[in-house]
Amino acid sequence: AQTVTQSQPEMSVQEAETVTLSCTYDTSESDYYLFWYKQPPSRQMILVIRQEAYKQQNATENRFSVNFQKAAKSFSLKISDSQLGDAAMYFCAYRSAGTGGFKTIFGAGTRLFVKA
Amino acid sequence: DAGITQSPRHKVTETGTPVTLRCHQTENHRYMYWYRQDPGHGLRLIHYSYGVKDTDKGEVSDGYSVSRSKTEDFLLTLESATSSQTSVYFCAVFSGHEQYFGPGTRLTVT
Repeated sequence: AQTVTQSQPEMSVQEAETVTLSCTYDTSESDYYLFWYKQPPSRQMILVIRQEAYKQQNATENRFSVNFQKAAKSFSLKISDSQLGDAAMYFCAYRSAGTGGFKTIFGAGTRLFVKA
Repeated sequence: DAGITQSPRHKVTETGTPVTLRCHQTENHRYMYWYRQDPGHGLRLIHYSYGVKDTDKGEVSDGYSVSRSKTEDFLLTLESATSSQTSVYFCAVFSGHEQYFGPGTRLTVT
């Protein structure tokens, strides 16, 4: 069975600086998707970024980028120029590319604090 | 937000009472999901549906049942609520390549 591990329960960053959130996963599959979701205090789950495993190029969305290391089964999220609005819980997630109900497996989350 | 609403948004109930949570979507998504979110566990899948009357169990299905009689509605029932079911419950749909989530329901079982 696939698992997703986020080893940092909490992280903090100074406003305008860069922070990297770590995620590792375990799978025997070769084709899959990886995601980072953001959950602000409003509780709404917001998709931040998606990475397809077959793509070697790291995904980027504005200030958010990932470092996808397939062989190491690592998928970290880098937030550049951190803003107060980035303070939230961040979840790393995995989904097999096969149908299998399109079920998504989530890590335990990392709470990010942003200091003014 | 993929047109997903959940009701109620908050509920307090007593141990042993039945509880039904409703997820409603307006965009005709085939796949729908129920998750629970607990500190230290992230989101864990309870049940999911792949069509009307088609459902399957997830990782933490014990004590929960679901029904889907219409495409737009996916119901989660706790037949006899227990304190261990105090949690935040999220409904989600699958669209494109990823899941989109409803606003969540905070359930407290006293």
